[in-house]
Amino acid sequence: QKEVEQNSGPLSVPEGAIASLNCTYSDRGSQSFFWYRQYSGKSPELIMFIYSNGDKEDGRFTAQLNKASQYVSLLIRDSQPSDSATYLCAVKSGNQFYFGTGTSLTVIP
Amino acid sequence: NAGVTQTPKFQVLKTGQSMTLQCAQDMNHNSMYWYRQDPGMGLRLIYYSASEGTTDKGEVPNGYNVSRLNKREFSLRLESAAPSQTSVYFCASSDLLMRGIYNEQFFGPGTRLTVL
Repeated sequence: QKEVEQNSGPLSVPEGAIASLNCTYSDRGSQSFFWYRQYSGKSPELIMFIYSNGDKEDGRFTAQLNKASQYVSLLIRDSQPSDSATYLCAVKSGNQFYFGTGTSLTVIP
Repeated sequence: NAGVTQTPKFQVLKTGQSMTLQCAQDMNHNSMYWYRQDPGMGLRLIYYSASEGTTDKGEVPNGYNVSRLNKREFSLRLESAAPSQTSVYFCASSDLLMRGIYNEQFFGPGTRLTVL
């Protein structure tokens, strides 16, 4: 069983702070790593996509990948109330995508 | 460009009834997927189709069948619905970015199914 683990939260941060979301995965052969945001009652939408070790930045979002530690993280800088959502970590392994259960983030104005 | 579309959006079934969930994508993607999402369980893969003409089981295939009708369409069928199949069902599609590396999955809006 290939597993993707996330802290379910809830995680609360004040507006303007940095939110840090973490994810670990069990399959060392995994090749692609994704962070999705899901608002309540909506479908997941992609935030970041990374497949090389290191950091990848896109606006206020930074994804970090450490394949040796089997660890993926997402940093959200200058958090906004509109960032309040559930964040899903997903890992591509073989032909399948495996999802974590998600971390609920609340940004307090 | 509609992306990934799903029908119906909502459905209520009685135990033992059958139904087919429809999914279509207009992004010319090779791979399509069916997931279910339950509270506290995250997204779980039911079936996927890596390319037109192929289908494979995912993590939770029991009680479901699929058909990859053509490159655009991928349907999910519940032959005899059970209350345990009450869930939100998402269809998704994706494609290869480069060898071994897949691009993001694009998700449809979901079907909310209740089985009484």
